Amino acid sequence: KQEVTQIPAALSVPEGENLVLNCSFTDSAIYNLQWFRQDPGKGLTSLLLIQSSQREQTSGRLNASLDKSSGRSTLYIAASQPGDSATYLCAVYDYGGATNKLIFGTGTLLAVQP
Amino acid sequence: DAGVIQSPRHEVTEMGQEVTLRCKPISGHDYLFWYRQTMMRGLELLIYFNNNVPIDDSGMPEDRFSAKMPNASFSTLKIQPSEPRDSAVYFCASSSPGPSTDTQYFGPGTRLTVL
Repeated sequence: KQEVTQIPAALSVPEGENLVLNCSFTDSAIYNLQWFRQDPGKGLTSLLLIQSSQREQTSGRLNASLDKSSGRSTLYIAASQPGDSATYLCAVYDYGGATNKLIFGTGTLLAVQP
Repeated sequence: DAGVIQSPRHEVTEMGQEVTLRCKPISGHDYLFWYRQTMMRGLELLIYFNNNVPIDDSGMPEDRFSAKMPNASFSTLKIQPSEPRDSAVYFCASSSPGPSTDTQYFGPGTRLTVL
């Protein structure tokens, strides 16, 4: 059974710092991996989607990498800003025979201090 | 596009009552997903539809939960009878063309409290 783990569970950094969020998954047979952001009381917003054949994706100050063989992904945030404060979730599309579904990690709560 | 629309945004009910949550997916999206988020279990997929047909309902916790999609622009998730342990935030999401190849767009969620 696929399990997705995110470390750390919470992180507080000063504004301007570069930071890395970690995601690990137990079964490397995935279709793709997505990073989402969730603001308090809101739904999820997709940040980056990495196909299983790709190694990384970049969007602005965000860079996500994927290493299927080791079951790991990282989300790198450059020059963090207070507006980056949110919960970050990674999720993998798990190959389950006739169906497939997103399996979510428990998230990393990020606070960027001004 | 207005995005995925969910109603109500908040629902407070008493144990034993019927609860109906509603979702309007993004126009043109073929897939619709219902998720539940709790502190203890995180985000879990309950059921998803493709072209209005339920594909995988293995995440539906028990017979008290049912979901329908009568047309491409509307879906409901019903809990009957509701129990306190059903208290959670319920999200609807949609995507196109496929669940594993394209981004899922989430609605704002319905926060359900069962007293």
